[in-house]
Amino acid sequence: GQQVMQIPQYQHVQEGEDFTTYCNSSTTLSNIQWYKQRPGGHPVFLIQLVKSGEVKKQKRLTFQFGEAKKNSSLHITATQTTDVGTYFCAVGTGGFKTIFGAGTRLFVKA
Amino acid sequence: DAGVTQSPTHLIKTRGQQVTLRCSPISGHKSVSWYQQVLGQGPQFIFQYYEKEERGRGNFPDRFSARQFPNYSSELNVNALLLGDSALYLCASSLQATNTGELFFGEGSRLTVL
Repeated sequence: GQQVMQIPQYQHVQEGEDFTTYCNSSTTLSNIQWYKQRPGGHPVFLIQLVKSGEVKKQKRLTFQFGEAKKNSSLHITATQTTDVGTYFCAVGTGGFKTIFGAGTRLFVKA
Repeated sequence: DAGVTQSPTHLIKTRGQQVTLRCSPISGHKSVSWYQQVLGQGPQFIFQYYEKEERGRGNFPDRFSARQFPNYSSELNVNALLLGDSALYLCASSLQATNTGELFFGEGSRLTVL
């Protein structure tokens, strides 16, 4: 079945440093979503990318969808302690399923 | 407006028992999905229901079942509980029938099996 590989598994950064997580698929994706889950919380939707090569920004967060629609990235500029959590990519498969990656857990040291 | 609500928030069961988890979607959302999240892992898809019909099923044993009611609320049932069923069970609702839109998650039901 559809799988997405997400790297890295963990990332420790000093506050103010940048952070990037990557999501890769072996098949072409129709869309990709990104979610954030704070420690002890539930996943919260960040964004959905649909178009090849699409780039979207939300303040310090930049989301990219690859030209071949097989990979995506989330980049955070100048991390803050409020960015702590796990970032998941999620892809649709089979029309009704949304499959989540294993996530990248971000630790930010003040 | 209320978000997705799940109950109970925490529960403890013993092996072999059965459990029922409940979910109320956001008003107007007709699609409900269930996910299992083991500590340190991503949410694993269990079921998706739309308009009271099962539209998608993940790779879970038949001990897992679900249903959706006319008011679009949903229940997830797990029979013959195993230690490995200990997890956070998340319910998500969405407007779309297909997997093309935002999923709104509830706080989850944390199940511990002893």
